Amino acid sequence: EAEVAQSPRYKITEKSQAVAFWCDPISGHATLYWYRQILGQGPELLVQFQDESVVDDSQLPKDRFSAERLKGVDSTLKIQPAELGDSAMYLCASSSGDSSSTDTQYFGPGTRLTVL
Amino acid sequence: GDSVTQMEGPVTLSEEAFLTINCTYTATGYPSLFWYVQYPGEGLQLLLKATKADDKGSNKGFEATYRKETTSFHLEKGSVQVSDSAVYFCALSSGGYNKLIFGAGTRLAVHP
Repeated sequence: EAEVAQSPRYKITEKSQAVAFWCDPISGHATLYWYRQILGQGPELLVQFQDESVVDDSQLPKDRFSAERLKGVDSTLKIQPAELGDSAMYLCASSSGDSSSTDTQYFGPGTRLTVL
Repeated sequence: GDSVTQMEGPVTLSEEAFLTINCTYTATGYPSLFWYVQYPGEGLQLLLKATKADDKGSNKGFEATYRKETTSFHLEKGSVQVSDSAVYFCALSSGGYNKLIFGAGTRLAVHP
């Protein structure tokens, strides 16, 4: 069964350092999502791509976060500089991208970030 | 804006007990509704979904019915197992780009 891949699974960094997370969606999925899940809360969307284009980044803190999906396949989410409040699980998801409300999102295992 | 409210946890049950986790939503339009499950240290897995009013989603003994009149999508299971221990998230799809909005999650602990 195809899965969404993410790396690394765990990342510990010091504040003010740069970190990057990688996501490889299910093959053929046009839509890719990055969510942030703070401990004890539900995931919140940071950015959504349709192929290589950003279609929603309204909740992305653009002063320190950036995301790209250059070839419309895998994606990288970067934080620079990291702050203590960025400690969370970062989840990547993908869907086929048929734009219907029934389009199911499949999640990767996540990257747990700890900022010291 | 659109939102999802779930009952707070943790919910602690004995094996073979009946489970209900309440979920209500606020949305414009007619969203699809989902239940996702997160086992310790893992990402989210889709448990079930319903795309229109009165639809019932079901999977692995879990069920939920899309109730438009009460804006609810309560999760039920007739007999829980220890292996069902996890965090359960109710969610709706919102807007033209299929963005998911999640509730805060409900932790379920089932003991033998």
